[in-house]
Amino acid sequence: EAGVTQFPSHSVIEKGQTVTLRCDPISGHDNLYWYRRVMGKEIKFLLHFVKESKQDESGMPNNRFLAERTGGTYSTLKVQPAELEDSGVYFCASSPAGVGIQYFGAGTRLSVL
Amino acid sequence: AQSVTQLGSHVSVSEGALVLLRCNYSSSVPPYLFWYVQYPNQGLQLLLKYTTGATLVKGINGFEAEFKKSETSFHLTKPSAHMSDAAEYFCAVSEGTGGFKTIFGAGTRLFVKA
Repeated sequence: EAGVTQFPSHSVIEKGQTVTLRCDPISGHDNLYWYRRVMGKEIKFLLHFVKESKQDESGMPNNRFLAERTGGTYSTLKVQPAELEDSGVYFCASSPAGVGIQYFGAGTRLSVL
Repeated sequence: AQSVTQLGSHVSVSEGALVLLRCNYSSSVPPYLFWYVQYPNQGLQLLLKYTTGATLVKGINGFEAEFKKSETSFHLTKPSAHMSDAAEYFCAVSEGTGGFKTIFGAGTRLFVKA
């Protein structure tokens, strides 16, 4: 069974550009989460989808970040326009309904220059 | 609000020595507690979890952790360190099973000396 996959593994962009990160959860997992780790700090929650609906987006830093989950399958996280402070590693995780374990992807390392 | 504090951003041990990584948490409800490990260029891997029941939890690769409610701690231990244990370790807390966001500590990088 395939795990959580994230694309790209690394993205380098200039300030002001747009970047889209993608996450493919484990098949059948209703819950999908996005987290971010900035420069050696703690991993912070961004948002949580249940199927295609946003359950909790309290961690989204500002309106430059837009997350979608099409048809309850894969999810994208768009940053537009990117700022220097957006640099970090973005993790995606998924879990089945009613199960307390989240399965994490390898992350996307975003570098904004 | 929930929070997690990991004591020591870096821990260095000799191969064969005891590994002790400290974690304290705060939670207004009975917590679900986790330890994750991240090896270089890999994703987060679950080492072990505490939800309910036995307070001593055994995980993969010989690691275990003990939930101590009175001390609000969930320290991670391994009797004998191996070179392959060198990685970054994250303690985390969640309000419940599935459907709830996870709060992470800042991480502890473990170095193992030959």
